[in-house]
Amino acid sequence: AQKVTQAQTEISVVEKEDVTLDCVYETRDTTYYLFWYKQPPSGELVFLIRRNSFDEQNEISGRYSWNFQKSTSSFNFTITASQVVDSAVYFCALRVYGGSQGNLIFGKGTKLSVKP
Amino acid sequence: EPEVTQTPSHQVTQMGQEVILRCVPISNHLYFYWYRQILGQKVEFLVSFYNNEISEKSEIFDDQFSVERPDGSNFTLKIRSTKLEDSAMYFCASSVRGTTEAFFGQGTRLTVV
Repeated sequence: AQKVTQAQTEISVVEKEDVTLDCVYETRDTTYYLFWYKQPPSGELVFLIRRNSFDEQNEISGRYSWNFQKSTSSFNFTITASQVVDSAVYFCALRVYGGSQGNLIFGKGTKLSVKP
Repeated sequence: EPEVTQTPSHQVTQMGQEVILRCVPISNHLYFYWYRQILGQKVEFLVSFYNNEISEKSEIFDDQFSVERPDGSNFTLKIRSTKLEDSAMYFCASSVRGTTEAFFGQGTRLTVV
């Protein structure tokens, strides 16, 4: 069975602080894909990043960075120098490859509040 | 920038009524999906659709639900006889391949009264 756990339900930080959102996944498959999505207060789901299981290189995109560690089955997301516009619910998701087109399995999300 | 569009943005319906939620996926995408999110909860997979047929569906997607691609651009989700517990945000998504990232529409908020 596949599962995504985001243990942090809510995080509150002050602007300019760094914040890390944790994501732990479970799967027995060797080929899989990990994703992060952002859901701002307006409600849409915005794609942030995809990582496949073969590529453990960390990625940085502006103030965002992702740390993928297969040894601990984690795919954590760090926002550096947070801003009020980063306030949103962030979802980590897993897709397993094989057979039919695998669906996205979402974690419960972490609500990030960035205060000015 | 291409995007997935959904209509309507909000629909209120009476219990027992049929509703059709509409989506226009990104034009060169081949895989289409419906997900739902009950208020304050996680996003749940309903169904995936490829090559004009359902490729996978969850336990939520029972006989009350159906999907259709009536023409080359639209992708619809029909709920035949709505229940109170069908109240949720319904997201349509599409992807180029089954393993690439899915892009989501802005959602349709369905309220069953």
